[in-house]
Amino acid sequence: EPEVTQTPSHQVTQMGQEVILRCVPISNHLYFYWYRQILGQKVEFLVSFYNNEISEKSEIFDDQFSVERPDGSNFTLKIRSTKLEDSAMYFCAGAEGQRTYGYTFGSGTRLTVV
Amino acid sequence: KQEVTQIPAALSVPEGENLVLNCSFTDSAIYNLQWFRQDPGKGLTSLLLIQSSQREQTSGRLNASLDKSSGRSTLYIAASQPGDSATYLCAGSMIKAAGNKLTFGGGTRVLVKP
Repeated sequence: EPEVTQTPSHQVTQMGQEVILRCVPISNHLYFYWYRQILGQKVEFLVSFYNNEISEKSEIFDDQFSVERPDGSNFTLKIRSTKLEDSAMYFCAGAEGQRTYGYTFGSGTRLTVV
Repeated sequence: KQEVTQIPAALSVPEGENLVLNCSFTDSAIYNLQWFRQDPGKGLTSLLLIQSSQREQTSGRLNASLDKSSGRSTLYIAASQPGDSATYLCAGSMIKAAGNKLTFGGGTRVLVKP
């Protein structure tokens, strides 16, 4: 069964450093998403991406965050200057369509900011 | 704003007992409802997707129902096994022109004792 692949599985970074989280979506997916889950809390929506542009973003997704899909395959989330509170599990997800299809999630990247 | 709640937060049952997990949402304009399983420190595995026009879905020992009018979905797991121990998350998507983000409940942590 096709999978959404995320790398790295765990990243430790110093506060203030930039990090890039990578995702390889399933090939026939058209809609892409990033979610995050702070330890012990709910999974939260960050951003959705379709047709090479952001279609929706949450209040969490401020100017420190950016997404891109430069080569038509990898889908990346960049955090420019990490804060301690950015420590969380970050999930990439994709869907074939907008309404009739479910989401497939990757296994996540655990980001630890020290 | 859609709010999704799962009660109870934790559940412990002996092996063989049937499990009933509840999910409630505040906005009946929910479009799709998806149930996920999450093992500790791992990603989200999709279990069942109930599309807007459907009332229930079944897969093996799992059955999920959706009642939009009452704002509820229920996941039934028949004849529970120790391998069913995990956190179960429900998430709903709203009828919307773009983005179609998921709103997650806080999850029910299930322990099936041998």
